[in-house]
Amino acid sequence: RKEVEQDPGPFNVPEGATVAFNCTYSNSASQSFFWYRQDCRKEPKLLMSVYSSGNEDGRFTAQLNRASQYISLLIRDSKLSDSATYLCVVNAHGGHTGFQKLVFGTGTRLLVSP
Amino acid sequence: GAVVSQHPSRVICKSGTSVKIECRSLDFQATTMFWYRQFPKQSLMLMATSNEGSKATYEQGVEKDKFLINHASLTLSTLTVTSAHPEDSSFYICSARETSGPSYNEQFFGPGTRLTVL
Repeated sequence: RKEVEQDPGPFNVPEGATVAFNCTYSNSASQSFFWYRQDCRKEPKLLMSVYSSGNEDGRFTAQLNRASQYISLLIRDSKLSDSATYLCVVNAHGGHTGFQKLVFGTGTRLLVSP
Repeated sequence: GAVVSQHPSRVICKSGTSVKIECRSLDFQATTMFWYRQFPKQSLMLMATSNEGSKATYEQGVEKDKFLINHASLTLSTLTVTSAHPEDSSFYICSARETSGPSYNEQFFGPGTRLTVL
Protein backbone atom coordinates (compact mmCIF):
# COMPACT_ATOMS: atom_id res chain seq x y z
CA ARG A 1 0.00 0.00 0.00
CA LYS A 2 1.32 3.46 -0.87
CA GLU A 3 2.10 5.74 2.04
CA VAL A 4 -0.01 8.51 0.54
CA GLU A 5 -2.82 7.76 -1.89
CA GLN A 6 -4.73 10.12 -4.11
CA ASP A 7 -7.13 9.78 -7.01
CA PRO A 8 -5.02 10.86 -10.02
CA GLY A 9 -8.00 12.35 -11.84
CA PRO A 10 -8.19 14.35 -14.00
CA PHE A 11 -11.07 16.29 -12.55
CA ASN A 12 -12.62 18.37 -15.32
CA VAL A 13 -14.77 21.18 -13.94
CA PRO A 14 -16.21 24.41 -15.33
CA GLU A 15 -15.20 27.79 -14.00
CA GLY A 16 -17.03 28.63 -10.81
CA ALA A 17 -17.51 25.03 -9.76
CA THR A 18 -16.63 23.61 -6.36
CA VAL A 19 -14.31 20.62 -6.39
CA ALA A 20 -12.98 18.42 -3.61
CA PHE A 21 -9.91 16.21 -3.47
CA ASN A 22 -9.28 13.47 -1.00
CA CYS A 23 -6.15 11.78 0.23
CA THR A 24 -5.42 8.94 2.62
CA TYR A 25 -2.17 8.18 4.39
CA SER A 26 -0.98 4.96 5.94
CA ASN A 27 1.48 6.05 8.65
CA SER A 28 -0.49 6.84 11.79
CA ALA A 29 2.62 8.48 13.26
CA SER A 30 2.55 11.21 10.61
CA GLN A 31 2.80 14.58 12.23
CA SER A 32 1.96 17.27 9.74
CA PHE A 33 0.14 17.53 6.50
CA PHE A 34 0.17 19.78 3.48
CA TRP A 35 -1.32 20.43 0.11
CA TYR A 36 1.11 21.47 -2.59
CA ARG A 37 0.34 22.64 -6.08
CA GLN A 38 2.48 21.60 -9.02
CA ASP A 39 2.18 23.10 -12.47
CA CYS A 40 3.34 21.14 -15.49
CA ARG A 41 7.14 20.67 -15.51
CA LYS A 42 7.57 22.95 -12.51
CA GLU A 43 8.50 22.46 -8.88
CA PRO A 44 5.79 21.95 -6.24
CA LYS A 45 4.70 25.00 -4.29
CA LEU A 46 3.09 24.99 -0.89
CA LEU A 47 -0.61 25.75 -1.11
CA MET A 48 -1.52 25.32 2.52
CA SER A 49 -0.83 23.35 5.65
CA VAL A 50 -3.58 21.16 7.03
CA TYR A 51 -4.50 21.42 10.69
CA SER A 52 -6.61 19.15 12.83
CA SER A 53 -9.13 21.90 13.35
CA GLY A 54 -9.41 22.51 9.62
CA ASN A 55 -8.27 25.68 7.97
CA GLU A 56 -9.37 28.00 5.24
CA ASP A 57 -7.43 30.31 2.96
CA GLY A 58 -9.68 32.25 0.64
CA ARG A 59 -11.34 29.80 -1.74
CA PHE A 60 -9.40 26.86 -0.35
CA THR A 61 -10.39 24.77 2.66
CA ALA A 62 -8.36 21.88 4.02
CA GLN A 63 -9.44 19.33 6.58
CA LEU A 64 -7.75 16.52 8.43
CA ASN A 65 -9.31 13.46 10.01
CA ARG A 66 -6.61 11.72 12.03
CA ALA A 67 -8.86 8.84 13.08
CA SER A 68 -9.55 7.94 9.46
CA GLN A 69 -6.11 9.09 8.26
CA TYR A 70 -7.80 11.20 5.66
CA ILE A 71 -7.09 14.68 4.30
CA SER A 72 -9.24 16.78 2.02
CA LEU A 73 -8.97 19.95 -0.04
CA LEU A 74 -12.00 21.91 -1.18
CA ILE A 75 -11.73 24.57 -3.87
CA ARG A 76 -14.68 26.92 -4.27
CA ASP A 77 -15.43 29.14 -7.25
CA SER A 78 -12.79 27.46 -9.43
CA LYS A 79 -10.68 29.70 -11.66
CA LEU A 80 -8.91 28.78 -14.89
CA SER A 81 -5.66 29.45 -13.06
CA ASP A 82 -6.47 26.69 -10.58
CA SER A 83 -5.69 24.11 -13.27
CA ALA A 84 -2.71 22.18 -11.90
CA THR A 85 -1.83 18.99 -10.07
CA TYR A 86 -2.54 19.03 -6.36
CA LEU A 87 -0.18 16.99 -4.22
CA CYS A 88 -1.10 15.62 -0.83
CA VAL A 89 2.01 15.61 1.33
CA VAL A 90 2.59 14.01 4.70
CA ASN A 91 5.48 14.76 7.02
CA ALA A 92 6.88 12.04 9.20
CA HIS A 93 10.12 11.54 11.02
CA GLY A 94 12.59 9.77 8.77
CA GLY A 95 13.07 6.64 10.83
CA HIS A 96 16.40 6.34 12.66
CA THR A 97 17.70 9.65 11.34
CA GLY A 98 15.09 11.63 13.23
CA PHE A 99 14.86 14.09 10.34
CA GLN A 100 11.53 15.10 8.95
CA LYS A 101 10.68 13.47 5.67
CA LEU A 102 8.03 14.61 3.23
CA VAL A 103 6.10 11.84 1.49
CA PHE A 104 4.24 12.94 -1.62
CA GLY A 105 1.14 11.49 -3.18
CA THR A 106 1.08 11.12 -6.95
CA GLY A 107 -1.20 14.13 -7.17
CA THR A 108 -4.68 14.86 -8.45
CA ARG A 109 -4.90 16.70 -11.71
CA LEU A 110 -7.48 19.50 -11.99
CA LEU A 111 -8.57 21.01 -15.29
CA VAL A 112 -10.82 24.06 -15.08
CA SER A 113 -12.48 24.98 -18.34
CA PRO A 114 -14.22 28.21 -19.42
CA GLY B 1 9.11 32.93 1.06
CA ALA B 2 12.70 31.82 0.84
CA VAL B 3 14.31 31.24 -2.56
CA VAL B 4 16.09 28.11 -3.69
CA SER B 5 17.86 27.95 -7.03
CA GLN B 6 19.04 25.01 -9.07
CA HIS B 7 21.54 24.85 -11.87
CA PRO B 8 21.33 23.77 -14.59
CA SER B 9 17.61 23.83 -15.31
CA ARG B 10 18.01 21.36 -18.11
CA VAL B 11 20.84 19.06 -19.16
CA ILE B 12 21.24 16.55 -21.94
CA CYS B 13 24.20 14.20 -21.76
CA LYS B 14 25.53 11.04 -23.26
CA SER B 15 25.28 7.71 -21.51
CA GLY B 16 28.26 7.08 -19.26
CA THR B 17 29.01 10.68 -18.43
CA SER B 18 28.58 12.34 -15.04
CA VAL B 19 26.32 15.29 -14.38
CA LYS B 20 26.48 17.71 -11.45
CA ILE B 21 23.43 19.59 -10.25
CA GLU B 22 23.72 22.49 -7.83
CA CYS B 23 21.15 23.55 -5.28
CA ARG B 24 21.52 26.89 -3.52
CA SER B 25 19.53 28.61 -0.82
CA LEU B 26 19.77 32.25 -1.86
CA ASP B 27 18.58 34.20 1.14
CA PHE B 28 18.76 31.82 4.06
CA GLN B 29 20.97 29.18 5.58
CA ALA B 30 19.99 25.55 5.28
CA THR B 31 21.70 22.88 7.34
CA THR B 32 19.46 20.33 5.65
CA MET B 33 18.65 20.00 1.98
CA PHE B 34 16.70 17.26 0.28
CA TRP B 35 17.04 15.71 -3.15
CA TYR B 36 13.97 14.33 -4.92
CA ARG B 37 13.40 12.66 -8.24
CA GLN B 38 10.16 12.67 -10.21
CA PHE B 39 9.45 10.44 -13.17
CA PRO B 40 6.60 11.38 -15.54
CA LYS B 41 3.16 11.06 -13.96
CA GLN B 42 4.66 9.84 -10.71
CA SER B 43 5.10 11.43 -7.32
CA LEU B 44 8.22 13.08 -6.03
CA MET B 45 10.40 10.47 -4.41
CA LEU B 46 12.93 11.45 -1.78
CA MET B 47 16.37 10.24 -2.78
CA ALA B 48 18.49 11.53 0.05
CA THR B 49 18.77 14.03 2.85
CA SER B 50 21.84 16.21 2.64
CA ASN B 51 23.33 17.52 5.87
CA GLU B 52 25.87 20.30 5.95
CA GLY B 53 29.24 19.03 7.05
CA SER B 54 28.29 15.37 7.23
CA LYS B 55 27.37 12.46 5.02
CA ALA B 56 24.06 12.37 3.24
CA THR B 57 21.38 9.93 4.32
CA TYR B 58 20.08 7.92 1.39
CA GLU B 59 16.63 6.39 1.04
CA GLN B 60 16.28 2.69 0.54
CA GLY B 61 17.05 1.65 -3.01
CA VAL B 62 19.09 4.75 -3.88
CA GLU B 63 22.71 3.96 -4.68
CA LYS B 64 24.98 6.31 -2.78
CA ASP B 65 27.92 5.60 -5.08
CA LYS B 66 25.89 6.56 -8.10
CA PHE B 67 24.25 9.67 -6.68
CA LEU B 68 27.00 11.58 -4.92
CA ILE B 69 25.87 14.35 -2.61
CA ASN B 70 28.07 17.07 -1.20
CA HIS B 71 26.75 19.70 1.21
CA ALA B 72 29.88 21.73 1.79
CA SER B 73 28.28 24.96 2.98
CA LEU B 74 25.07 26.21 4.53
CA THR B 75 23.85 27.47 1.16
CA LEU B 76 25.01 24.85 -1.33
CA SER B 77 24.38 21.18 -1.93
CA THR B 78 25.39 19.31 -5.07
CA LEU B 79 24.11 16.07 -6.55
CA THR B 80 26.34 14.28 -9.03
CA VAL B 81 24.81 11.55 -11.15
CA THR B 82 27.78 9.36 -12.02
CA SER B 83 27.92 7.23 -15.15
CA ALA B 84 24.44 8.33 -16.14
CA HIS B 85 22.23 5.98 -18.13
CA PRO B 86 18.95 6.60 -19.96
CA GLU B 87 16.97 5.23 -16.99
CA ASP B 88 18.38 8.09 -14.89
CA SER B 89 16.53 10.57 -17.09
CA SER B 90 14.16 12.34 -14.74
CA PHE B 91 13.21 15.62 -13.07
CA TYR B 92 15.52 16.21 -10.11
CA ILE B 93 14.30 18.68 -7.51
CA CYS B 94 16.04 19.89 -4.40
CA SER B 95 14.53 21.54 -1.38
CA ALA B 96 16.00 23.37 1.56
CA ARG B 97 14.70 23.84 5.02
CA GLU B 98 15.15 27.02 7.00
CA THR B 99 16.73 26.36 10.35
CA SER B 100 15.47 29.57 11.96
CA GLY B 101 13.15 32.48 11.34
CA PRO B 102 9.41 32.68 10.68
CA SER B 103 9.41 29.87 8.12
CA TYR B 104 11.33 27.52 10.34
CA ASN B 105 10.98 23.92 9.22
CA GLU B 106 9.17 24.71 5.98
CA GLN B 107 10.77 23.20 2.90
CA PHE B 108 11.34 25.45 -0.09
CA PHE B 109 11.77 23.80 -3.44
CA GLY B 110 14.14 24.65 -6.24
CA PRO B 111 12.81 24.92 -9.81
CA GLY B 112 14.13 21.48 -10.71
CA THR B 113 16.63 20.11 -13.21
CA ARG B 114 15.42 18.06 -16.14
CA LEU B 115 18.04 15.46 -17.01
CA THR B 116 17.93 13.60 -20.30
CA VAL B 117 20.51 10.87 -20.86
CA LEU B 118 20.88 9.77 -24.47
